[in-house]
Amino acid sequence: DGGITQSPKYLFRKEGQNVTLSCEQNLNHDAMYWYRQDPGQGLRLIYYSQIVNDFQKGDIAEGYSVSREKKESFPLTVTSAQKNPTAFYLCASSINRGLHNEQFFGPGTRLTVL
Amino acid sequence: AQSVSQHNHHVILSEAASLELGCNYSYGGTVNLFWYVQYPGQHLQLLLKYFSGDPLVKGIKGFEAEFIKSKFSFNLRKPSVQWSDTAEYFCAVILLRTGANNLFFGTGTRLTVIP
Repeated sequence: DGGITQSPKYLFRKEGQNVTLSCEQNLNHDAMYWYRQDPGQGLRLIYYSQIVNDFQKGDIAEGYSVSREKKESFPLTVTSAQKNPTAFYLCASSINRGLHNEQFFGPGTRLTVL
Repeated sequence: AQSVSQHNHHVILSEAASLELGCNYSYGGTVNLFWYVQYPGQHLQLLLKYFSGDPLVKGIKGFEAEFIKSKFSFNLRKPSVQWSDTAEYFCAVILLRTGANNLFFGTGTRLTVIP
């Protein structure tokens, strides 16, 4: 069954702690993305990766870091430098970064920082 | 600066009513346009997309959208909604310019359909 998995579904952390959100895809897609969804603000791009060992900042990268060591995995670390980390985080992938490629989304992780 | 606007934040309709959700973007160049839907507890999924050609695009579940370039709009329509259409709907745009093919999302419109 092909798709994108994100774990865990819900995550709670204390303020000041780093936390890593998992994203795995078995669609053989080259490109992967991380978005943050906040009520009333839609989705905003945090980071994206076009290919293994390469990634670029999106619109709101401050306080986040990523890695892309394997094609199927694109973990996101929310660091203590992120001022407002409580949000719903969505991972997506597409065949590549070509112009006509649909992005497929995972189920999301809801992070709450206490 | 480019942006995607969805002016309706929450729409409430009775079953069988017609639906039109507005989407406008502010960018003078070539765009690719999308509507995504997020049903309660489910993944964000693609409803329909426009790349080029016929500006009236048909999607899944009876949805359609019309690209009107002169109005910078890509409104979503459905002639008769069902209770199962209750969801959040997002318009998204790719701005076709060198070096960046990022997808920009609108703020979303929550649709509630009353049986």
